[in-house]
Amino acid sequence: DAGVTQSPTHLIKTRGQHVTLRCSPISGHKSVSWYQQVLGQGPQFIFQYYEKEERGRGNFPDRFSARQFPNYSSELNVNALLLGDSALYLCASSLALGSLNEQFFGPGTRLTVL
Amino acid sequence: SQQGEEDPQALSIQEGENATMNCSYKTSINNLQWYRQNSGRGLVHLILIRSNEREKHSGRLRVTLDTSKKSSSLLITASRAADTASYFCATDLQGGSEKLVFGKGTKLTVNP
Repeated sequence: DAGVTQSPTHLIKTRGQHVTLRCSPISGHKSVSWYQQVLGQGPQFIFQYYEKEERGRGNFPDRFSARQFPNYSSELNVNALLLGDSALYLCASSLALGSLNEQFFGPGTRLTVL
Repeated sequence: SQQGEEDPQALSIQEGENATMNCSYKTSINNLQWYRQNSGRGLVHLILIRSNEREKHSGRLRVTLDTSKKSSSLLITASRAADTASYFCATDLQGGSEKLVFGKGTKLTVNP
């Protein structure tokens, strides 16, 4: 079975541009979460989606947005990129809501903003 | 903001030795999880311990949880070079959303 997949694996953008990152959850998983991991830090929660609805939002500016599609895949969009947005963006999927549902992480997309 | 804080920040041991990493957190939790990350890649789930559990084992891993001290420890026994990675604790806040709140991690190096 395929795990969580993310695309692209690497991305280089310049300040002011926008970026779209994609995530495909494990088959049957309905919840997708996004995390940002800056070098040397632990991941920070950005969004959680379940059944196409936003269920949680972290402390990130409105430049960050996301959505979940009917097939449960998800996109993370970041507008007006800043140098500080350079990070590893991780997607995680889980079977359902509930604190005991294990979250499975994808390999991440490494975004570099120049 | 980071909820959990791992200690130590870095740990270097020889193959065959045991490695102990600690995690402290600030607020009441539903559960605590430990993850491993190799070289800035995706996170691998290691073990989940519920707030009403005190100890859990999985292979060479042993996790303890002390909710009165708001702390957890991860013990890796008989370490191998392949255990070299960063280890993170993540908490699921009680009464909050289901987001995971991660610490900064412990970077473990196991020398052959």
